[in-house]
Amino acid sequence: NAGVTQTPKFQVLKTGQSMTLQCAQDMNHNSMYWYRQDPGMGLRLIYYSASEGTTDKGEVPNGYNVSRLNKREFSLRLESAAPSQTSVYFCASSEPRGGGSNQPQHFGDGTRLSIL
Amino acid sequence: KQEVTQIPAALSVPEGENLVLNCSFTDSAIYNLQWFRQDPGKGLTSLLLIQSSQREQTSGRLNASLDKSSGRSTLYIAASQPGDSATYLCAVRSGWNYGQNFVFGPGTRLSVLP
Repeated sequence: NAGVTQTPKFQVLKTGQSMTLQCAQDMNHNSMYWYRQDPGMGLRLIYYSASEGTTDKGEVPNGYNVSRLNKREFSLRLESAAPSQTSVYFCASSEPRGGGSNQPQHFGDGTRLSIL
Repeated sequence: KQEVTQIPAALSVPEGENLVLNCSFTDSAIYNLQWFRQDPGKGLTSLLLIQSSQREQTSGRLNASLDKSSGRSTLYIAASQPGDSATYLCAVRSGWNYGQNFVFGPGTRLSVLP
């Protein structure tokens, strides 16, 4: 029961470095999401993909790019990492039904990213 | 803009107690509300999802209620156990759009003492 798999689990970067966070789901879900979680602020949506081939900005997209490689995979890229991007990043997926979703979101275990 | 708050921020109870966690949201025009559990260093696990047309959902010792008009949801945990210790988050989805309309609360950190 893999569900949503994120890699890597931990990463330390220096300011200005780039990296890509990987996410894959094996539930044949159409929608995928990237969130960041910071202490006291809850989860905030960075980008989402309602279906293969489409991506849209969420609440905090600045400094990030995404790629929906296929139905299974949704990656998040930091082009030039900044200390403010130190956070825990979560990928999620869900299956929309009839134009809206009454299905729960399924989450990966997260990537803990530190920018020095 | 939808805002979600959760009270209390932290809660410590002895094993066996029944307890209630609260979630409040500012815009009552929601599509659904979801309760999650998050263990330290882990992702979120969905516990219950209540659609806007529903008043409550139950799963085992958990019962979630929804009062859209007052902008409130509660998660009731019966006969708490140490294994229930975790952070509990609620998330509100507004309207028919995807993604951009999921708003999470900051969570309630629950400790159940043996």
